Amino acid sequence: EAGVAQSPRYKIIEKRQSVAFWCNPISGHATLYWYQQILGQGPKLLIQFQNNGVVDDSQLPKDRFSAERLKGVDSTLKIQPAKLEDSAVYLCASSLFSRAPDTQYFGPGTRLTVL
Amino acid sequence: AQSVTQLGSHVSVSEGALVLLRCNYSSSVPPYLFWYVQYPNQGLQLLLKYTSAATLVKGINGFEAEFKKSETSFHLTKPSAHMSDAAEYFCAVTHNNAGNMLTFGGGTRLMVKP
Repeated sequence: EAGVAQSPRYKIIEKRQSVAFWCNPISGHATLYWYQQILGQGPKLLIQFQNNGVVDDSQLPKDRFSAERLKGVDSTLKIQPAKLEDSAVYLCASSLFSRAPDTQYFGPGTRLTVL
Repeated sequence: AQSVTQLGSHVSVSEGALVLLRCNYSSSVPPYLFWYVQYPNQGLQLLLKYTSAATLVKGINGFEAEFKKSETSFHLTKPSAHMSDAAEYFCAVTHNNAGNMLTFGGGTRLMVKP
């Protein structure tokens, strides 16, 4: 069974530029999550999707971050414009269901460096 | 609100020694608890999870954790460390009213000395 796929793996941009990350969850998983992991910290949930609807985006900085999952499968996370403090690893995860304690499976992440 | 505290951001053990990584949680409702491991440049991999079926939970790679409600703890242990156990370990919590949203601790980096 293929795992969660993410691309690109690494991205370096300058502040005020835009960037987008892509995630393809495990086949059949209805729930998709985006996390931000700043160096030396645990992951922090940004947004959770159930199929193509948003379950929770309370920790998403909506003035610069956006995410979509239009067809209920793959998803993109965008930052526009980027700030220095956005430097982090962006992890995508998926689970079969959206109720606890369903296991979340994580992708390898995209490491973003903002200069 | 829920939170997780991992005591010790870095833990160093000798190969063959006991591994003990500490996790304390705060939750106003019965929690579900998880331990994930992260190897360099990789995503998180589930080691084990507590779902209220049994307080002693066994996971992959010889790890286990015990849920202690009175101490609000879910410490991770392994009897004998192996070099391949060197990684970052994260404890996380969720509950039935949280929509499966995980709250993670700050992580503990385990170093294994030969």
